[in-house]
Amino acid sequence: EVMLVESGGGLVKPGGSLKLSCAASGFTFSSYAMSWVRQTPEKRLEWVATISSGGSYTYYPDSVKGRFTISRDNAKNTLYLQMSSLRSEDTAMYYCARRGYGNYVPMDYWGQGTSVTVSS
Amino acid sequence: DILLTQSPAILSVSPGERVSFSCRASQSIGTSIHWYQQRTNGSPRLLIKYASESISGIPSRFSGSGSGTDFTLSINSVESEDIADYYCQQSNSWPTLTFGAGTKLELK
Repeated sequence: EVMLVESGGGLVKPGGSLKLSCAASGFTFSSYAMSWVRQTPEKRLEWVATISSGGSYTYYPDSVKGRFTISRDNAKNTLYLQMSSLRSEDTAMYYCARRGYGNYVPMDYWGQGTSVTVSS
Repeated sequence: DILLTQSPAILSVSPGERVSFSCRASQSIGTSIHWYQQRTNGSPRLLIKYASESISGIPSRFSGSGSGTDFTLSINSVESEDIADYYCQQSNSWPTLTFGAGTKLELK
């Protein structure tokens, strides 16, 4: 059974940093690209980052580029999201999601999410 | 960026009815649209990929259609467990991915 378990969320002040983790099991983690997607309090879904299966390629939207870093440790079956210079608009539930093989594929499995609140 | 417009924002249905959700793209995206269901306090779940391709484990009452800019997700006979939010997502502009704002399905 594919499982993705996020952790590391919490309350952080504006300008602060936080590192999220996503532990994967039930599939060959190193064979899949992975993404982070967040859901705002208004329930809007926003793509945050994608990393290739081997970790060599990373992609971000302009809203987080330069502030967020996605990475992975295939030996530990774990995906990460390092977030810095956090803003109130980064407040959201953060999900990690598995992407299928290929570039135009959907996200076929999602974790349960970890909540991030940016507030003073 | 490719914008996805979902309508209506809220759909009210009775059990057993057929319901359709609309998703319109700001430019042609072929069939690179995927649909997700999110129940209350749950995570998104993939329902349909590439506009009309079924997903293993998803009930056959869910179907998708469309190409270009107009897409539809249909539920043939709504059950109470289908009460949820439904989102479309495009992957045509990979690596940039975008989602629609969602449609809330509620019971009358």
